[in-house]
Amino acid sequence: NAGVTQTPKFRILKIGQSMTLQCTQDMNHNYMYWYRQDPGMGLKLIYYSVGAGITDKGEVPNGYNVSRSTTEDFPLRLELAAPSQTSVYFCASSYSPGFEAEKLFFGSGTQLSVL
Amino acid sequence: AQSVSQHNHHVILSEAASLELGCNYSYGGTVNLFWYVQYPGQHLQLLLKYFSGDPLVKGIKGFEAEFIKSKFSFNLRKPSVQWSDTAEYFCAVMLMDSSYKLIFGSGTRLLVRP
Repeated sequence: NAGVTQTPKFRILKIGQSMTLQCTQDMNHNYMYWYRQDPGMGLKLIYYSVGAGITDKGEVPNGYNVSRSTTEDFPLRLELAAPSQTSVYFCASSYSPGFEAEKLFFGSGTQLSVL
Repeated sequence: AQSVSQHNHHVILSEAASLELGCNYSYGGTVNLFWYVQYPGQHLQLLLKYFSGDPLVKGIKGFEAEFIKSKFSFNLRKPSVQWSDTAEYFCAVMLMDSSYKLIFGSGTRLLVRP
């Protein structure tokens, strides 16, 4: 199994540009999460999804959008990139958030710089 | 709003010293609790977890954590650290309501000097 795959690994954007960070998992997981990791700030939850067609805001959703049209894919969209969105982005997925929550799989991350 | 606090941002220890990293959360409902470790250049890895039962849980690599419900705390401990424990440690709390949000603390960077 490939697990959780994120693309691209690195990207440089100009202020105001838009882009989509892709995340796909092949484990038939219901729960998917997008986090950003900033130095000294830990991981902040941007958006999450509990299944296809269902998404909800996390701690820091402003400036981002998501969709979950299939179980496998959970893309994160930046419409108007700002320097404050420079960060490392992690996608994660889990089959069940309850007893099996330790089986939280993380992608390898996307390093985004907005200049 | 729910939050997770890790008060020690940077910790420097010598090998064989004992470690305790603090973690507190703010949420009145049922939670599952986790400690993750991130070694330089690597993904997050699960160290240990608490769901229910014995509040003292043991994880990999000699780590343990104690859940004190009255203090909303889940502190991580290790009796004797090694140089290889140099990493960033994250406490995480999963809200066991319908959202199942997994909220991370800001992390603690541990440097163990040989």
